[in-house]
Amino acid sequence: AQSVTQLDSHVSVSEGTPVLLRCNYSSSYSPSLFWYVQHPNKGLQLLLKYTSAATLVKGINGFEAEFKKSETSFHLTKPSAHMSDAAEYFCVVSDPPYGGATNKLIFGTGTLLAVQP
Amino acid sequence: NAGVTQTPKFRVLKTGQSMTLLCAQDMNHEYMYWYRQDPGMGLRLIHYSVGEGTTAKGEVPDGYNVSRLKKQNFLLGLESAAPSQTSVYFCASSYTHPFQETQYFGPGTRLLVL
Repeated sequence: AQSVTQLDSHVSVSEGTPVLLRCNYSSSYSPSLFWYVQHPNKGLQLLLKYTSAATLVKGINGFEAEFKKSETSFHLTKPSAHMSDAAEYFCVVSDPPYGGATNKLIFGTGTLLAVQP
Repeated sequence: NAGVTQTPKFRVLKTGQSMTLLCAQDMNHEYMYWYRQDPGMGLRLIHYSVGEGTTAKGEVPDGYNVSRLKKQNFLLGLESAAPSQTSVYFCASSYTHPFQETQYFGPGTRLLVL
C-alpha cells in the first residue's frame, strides 16, 4: 500500500529565510506525489504535483519539490518565506498511481508552518 | 464561480441525533469526495462518487451514508451521531481520470457531537 510520512509536525521559520518541509513516501512502484496547502479555516489547495515527468516540480507561490527515488523523499522547499506562507501543508500520494476510477489520495498527517516576523 | 461550497459551516449535535451535510460544486466535476480531518491524522476518505447516482466507500465509511442524486450535489448523512464523529468534514470534487488527483476543496464543516 502507498503511504507518506511527514517528518515534522511543526516547523517555524523567520520571514525571508528558507523553508524545508520533509516528506518520505512508501511505494512498491513509481508514485504520483502532491503537496496541498491549507490556510487557517480554509479548504485545501493543490500546491504542486509530481507524476513521473521532471523530478524537480515547481508549484504556486514560489514553492518547489524534488522527487528523489533513491531517498524515497519528496521534500517541499521555498527560498524565502513570507508571512502569507503560514499554513498547514500536506504531502499526498495517489493510490493507485496510474488512474482508474477508484484512484484515491492518501494524505500525510500535515506540517504546520509558522512564519515569524 | 463559487467553486465548492458546504452547508452548514458549524453544527453541534447531541449523541443519537441525525443530520445531513450538503456539498455543492459548480465546476461540472464528475467526481466528488467526503473527507474527515482529525488532529494528527491528516484527511481520511469517508465516501466518494464517480458520477451522478453512484457512491462508493472510502477508508472510514462506518456511521455515514451518502447520496449523489444530482451531479452538482453530494450529501453526507449521519443517522445517529456519536462523539467519535466530532471532526472537520471536507468535501472535494475533481474531473475524471487522469485529472482526479487535482481536487478542489470546500471550506469545511465543523461538527461537534456531545
